[in-house]
Amino acid sequence: AQRVTQPEKLLSVFKGAPVELKCNYSYSGSPELFWYVQYSRQRLQLLLRHISRESIKGFTADLNKGETSFHLKKPFAQEEDSAMYYCALADSGGGADGLTFGKGTHLIIQP
Amino acid sequence: EAGVAQSPRYKIIEKRQSVAFWCNPISGHATLYWYQQILGQGPKLLIQFQNNGVVDDSQLPKDRFSAERLKGVDSTLKIQPAKLEDSAVYLCASSSNRNTGELFFGEGSRLTVL
Repeated sequence: AQRVTQPEKLLSVFKGAPVELKCNYSYSGSPELFWYVQYSRQRLQLLLRHISRESIKGFTADLNKGETSFHLKKPFAQEEDSAMYYCALADSGGGADGLTFGKGTHLIIQP
Repeated sequence: EAGVAQSPRYKIIEKRQSVAFWCNPISGHATLYWYQQILGQGPKLLIQFQNNGVVDDSQLPKDRFSAERLKGVDSTLKIQPAKLEDSAVYLCASSSNRNTGELFFGEGSRLTVL
């Protein structure tokens, strides 16, 4: 069975500091990995997906199959980055079917 | 475009009572999901529909939970009878046929079972 682990429940950094939110996964096949974000009083929404290899709002994430990790990084944190971040794994077949979510990391950016 | 609509936003019931949640996905989205999010946890998939057919309901507690999407558009999730451990936010999400990997979530229905 697939599993997503986010070891940090809470991460607090100062504005302008680098940010890294950790995500490790367990999956027997070829995974599709995503980061979802929930800002205060907003809906859960997609931030980025590994197959797109894109930078969204300054965030990037690289899939490391050797370490089974998909850490989310940003070189300089901004106050508006404060939110709940969830790493998610897609079931076999790719796409969004059957997403398995981690427990989430609450990121707080201090001024 | 209008987002995923859910109702009610909040519901408080006593254990052993029943409750129903409604979801209207984004127009044209064939795939609809119901997730359960318990406080401090990530969302857990309960059931996935493709049009009006069930794709995955392996994590749905079928002795008390049921869901339907009769016309392939809106959906209802029912709990009967409710237990204390059913207290959670019930999230509905939809995705298009393009299978881009993006789910669009509703605001959720928060259930408190006393």
